[in-house]
Amino acid sequence: AQKITQTQPGMFVQEKEAVTLDCTYDTSDQSYGLFWYKQPSSGEMIFLIYQGSYDEQNATEGRYSLNFQKARKSANLVISASQLGDSAMYFCAMREALTGGFKTIFGAGTRLFVKA
Amino acid sequence: NAGVTQTPKFRVLKTGQSMTLLCAQDMNHEYMYWYRQDPGMGLRLIHYSVGEGTTAKGEVPDGYNVSRLKKQNFLLGLESAAPSQTSVYFCASSYSTSGIGQETQYFGPGTRLLVL
Repeated sequence: AQKITQTQPGMFVQEKEAVTLDCTYDTSDQSYGLFWYKQPSSGEMIFLIYQGSYDEQNATEGRYSLNFQKARKSANLVISASQLGDSAMYFCAMREALTGGFKTIFGAGTRLFVKA
Repeated sequence: NAGVTQTPKFRVLKTGQSMTLLCAQDMNHEYMYWYRQDPGMGLRLIHYSVGEGTTAKGEVPDGYNVSRLKKQNFLLGLESAAPSQTSVYFCASSYSTSGIGQETQYFGPGTRLLVL
């Protein structure tokens, strides 16, 4: 079963506009962490933002914010004032604790295209 | 700080050959990870390590071995390469897997491996 679902294979946004990238997750654990990473065409993975399952406020990092809706099990990434340099693949990921270990699961990604 | 580095950046192997990918981090992180990334998929965890001298299997460990003899280094070995192991390999490290902000994984630039 899919643990992390990113339903948008590709998204287009006009420069300077805001865009929301969707992410839903599935876990029965009470303690988990949610992450978003950016992967530009150069290939590196860049950490953007983190949300803990017990955090009551939505995480924000500059132009990035995470719209965390725990009851819906969604963790959407909002990018405000899009820039051309935001064109990249975006991955949602979840860390959940397991007995004697842990597991990190990544979604399939959303490719964002920012238009001038 | 160099962060997380990986060598080599690119490698071509013939089926049945062996090789070792090296990951090094200078952030004094306890946890290190090896992922593979295939087209249309997110990252999948191969093996991870929670500290020097310890390793554990991830989601897709078959065909790979790892070693963590020093805290700063995490080696991924392919004993007998197969075409199915053609992929981009990412190494990552983090302080821990719990605590706000502590779980964030920092990634290396990736190694492209082609197995013919």
